[in-house]
Amino acid sequence: DAKTTQPPSMDCAEGRAANLPCNHSTISGNEYVYWYRQIHSQGPQYIIHGLKNNETNEMASLIITEDRKSSTLILPHATLRDTAVYYCIVTGTASKLTFGTGTRLQVTL
Amino acid sequence: GAVVSQHPSRVICKSGTSVKIECRSLDFQATTMFWYRQFPKKSLMLMATSNEGSKATYEQGVEKDKFLINHASLTLSTLTVTSAHPEDSSFYICSASNPAGGYEQFFGPGTRLTVL
Repeated sequence: DAKTTQPPSMDCAEGRAANLPCNHSTISGNEYVYWYRQIHSQGPQYIIHGLKNNETNEMASLIITEDRKSSTLILPHATLRDTAVYYCIVTGTASKLTFGTGTRLQVTL
Repeated sequence: GAVVSQHPSRVICKSGTSVKIECRSLDFQATTMFWYRQFPKKSLMLMATSNEGSKATYEQGVEKDKFLINHASLTLSTLTVTSAHPEDSSFYICSASNPAGGYEQFFGPGTRLTVL
């Protein structure tokens, strides 16, 4: 699976959009970009995934660059409950997930 | 969304005893279940992948005789930590997926194991 690079931490003010970047320059054509988050002492929560088109669901939007070498997860209106570690994972279908160190997002008042 | 439960949520045991952790998919059939371990301030590490009705596939460095995995039905997988020792103390998390419904994994809430 392709390796991903994420900033170790980010801050975001409550109510503002949180934009979490991820680099995956070695992604191959059949690999998807998945985003999960883990709130302290809980199991990870699936957020969204995509192949090459931008995706949106009730939780977030995923913007994938045209060359697929990077992506951005957007939480449109961050709340305190969005404080968590966010993991960007690149993998093929039905493949195991390899968790990196993720980005620790701190949402502040 | 898909719900995965784990039982127990936390367990404390004496060194040398065995502990069984259950992972259930509550509203979907999970053809594949995964077991992860997470040490404090570290990321999740995959231990093994189990497909219903077949033997689990263990990651390199994970002792299959120590961490017994059973996936006898489409809604239940169990992880048994045999002869537990203090270094096995960790947060154990399972996930489940069903390719028929999409390949995303849905995670349980985790089980915190403390071995005294």
